[in-house]
Amino acid sequence: EVQLVQSGAEVKKAGESLKISCKGSGYRFTTYWIGWVRQMPGKGLEWMGIIYPGDSDTKYSPSFQGQVTISADKSVSTAYLQWSNLKASDTAMYYCARGMSGSTSCYTYWGQGTLVTVSS
Amino acid sequence: SYELTQPPSVSVSPGQTARITCSGDAFPKQYSYWYQQRPGQAPVVVIYKDSERPSGIPERFSGSSSGTTVTLTISGVQAEDEADYYCQSADNSGTYVVFGGGTKLTVL
Repeated sequence: EVQLVQSGAEVKKAGESLKISCKGSGYRFTTYWIGWVRQMPGKGLEWMGIIYPGDSDTKYSPSFQGQVTISADKSVSTAYLQWSNLKASDTAMYYCARGMSGSTSCYTYWGQGTLVTVSS
Repeated sequence: SYELTQPPSVSVSPGQTARITCSGDAFPKQYSYWYQQRPGQAPVVVIYKDSERPSGIPERFSGSSSGTTVTLTISGVQAEDEADYYCQSADNSGTYVVFGGGTKLTVL
């Protein structure tokens, strides 16, 4: 069974750093794209970027380029999303999702989400 | 940046047909995907590659494409279909993925 299990909720202060994780299991981790999606409170889905764990090829949305870093460690089948300088506006639910075979777009499996709360 | 445009809300009575549109300049070059998101839950793909339905998704969900507009159709709407629906695609280069703003489906 394919599963994406994300790390738990975080409460941070503005200016702090943070790294959240997404561990894949039940499939060959290195051969499927993993994307990150933001959902601010009461708002829609926003695509942040994707990574191909096999070679760490990474693509960022222009809206998030330079604001976050996406990485992966294939030895532990885990993708990461990190911030070096959190802002209150980063408060949101963050989802990781696995692409369909060969696809960067179609996300057939999703993590349960990680709620990040940043206080000013 | 590339955008997909959806109506903010659609309302239908149980048993009727709901149609949710999504327009974008990269259609039909790029495929469209549709996700259903119920409150407090992660999204679930209900249509992929414009009109394909994943296993486990009821037959009342269908997708179609015409020019620069794609449509999610839910026939015989049920109360359980009340949710937010998002279209997704990519820009012309296929590099950047984008979601539409979402449509709240209300079952009256």
